Amino acid sequence: SAVISQKPSRDICQRGTSLTIQCQVDSQVTMMFWYRQQPGQSLTLIATANQGSEATYESGFVIDKFPISRPNLTFSTLTVSNMSPEDSSIYLCSAKGQNTGELFFGEGSRLTVL
Amino acid sequence: QKEVEQNSGPLSVPEGAIASLNCTYSDRVSQSFFWYRQYSGKSPELIMSIYSNGDKEDGRFTAQLNKASQYVSLLIRDSQPSDSATYLCAVTRNTGKLIFGQGTTLQVKP
Repeated sequence: SAVISQKPSRDICQRGTSLTIQCQVDSQVTMMFWYRQQPGQSLTLIATANQGSEATYESGFVIDKFPISRPNLTFSTLTVSNMSPEDSSIYLCSAKGQNTGELFFGEGSRLTVL
Repeated sequence: QKEVEQNSGPLSVPEGAIASLNCTYSDRVSQSFFWYRQYSGKSPELIMSIYSNGDKEDGRFTAQLNKASQYVSLLIRDSQPSDSATYLCAVTRNTGKLIFGQGTTLQVKP
């Protein structure tokens, strides 16, 4: 399985600011995804991070709010822009193994917006 | 209808019993199915994957898949208090994206 590192692990932010979360995988992977997990809820897919091109967003998520980069096969960033308290959540980076298709997760970034 | 549905629970079983967790999905073309375990404050951890109809066993865990009924389950034998967690069922769309159910909270009581 791939080892996925995320940072920051947690942060407290002010309303109206933006925060960028970094995700590093220890091996080349085919697909990377960003999920959100709101308090007491399950995981919701935000977008697929595409290497060298624009991310593919799920319904309800837009690039202006959640810009994503993936400059190479092992690294991606998610920015949460113009934050509001409703953005308080855990944001999870994930990567799909090349052979099995299994999805592995980073430790998550717990974001609190005041 | 949600793509992946689970009973949120909590499901409470005594230590040593069999815990049975169930999941249904709506997309008939789904091919890959996964069970994740998530402890409070932690990220999901993959515990089982299943791709074909029937049973797949790994230690105390057995995953069961019935594509005709669009149903996947997870059995945990000899349940331990350390098994207390939220269990997430996940299904792959034909695009390769993984969609999660809302999770079932399992409580194993000593």
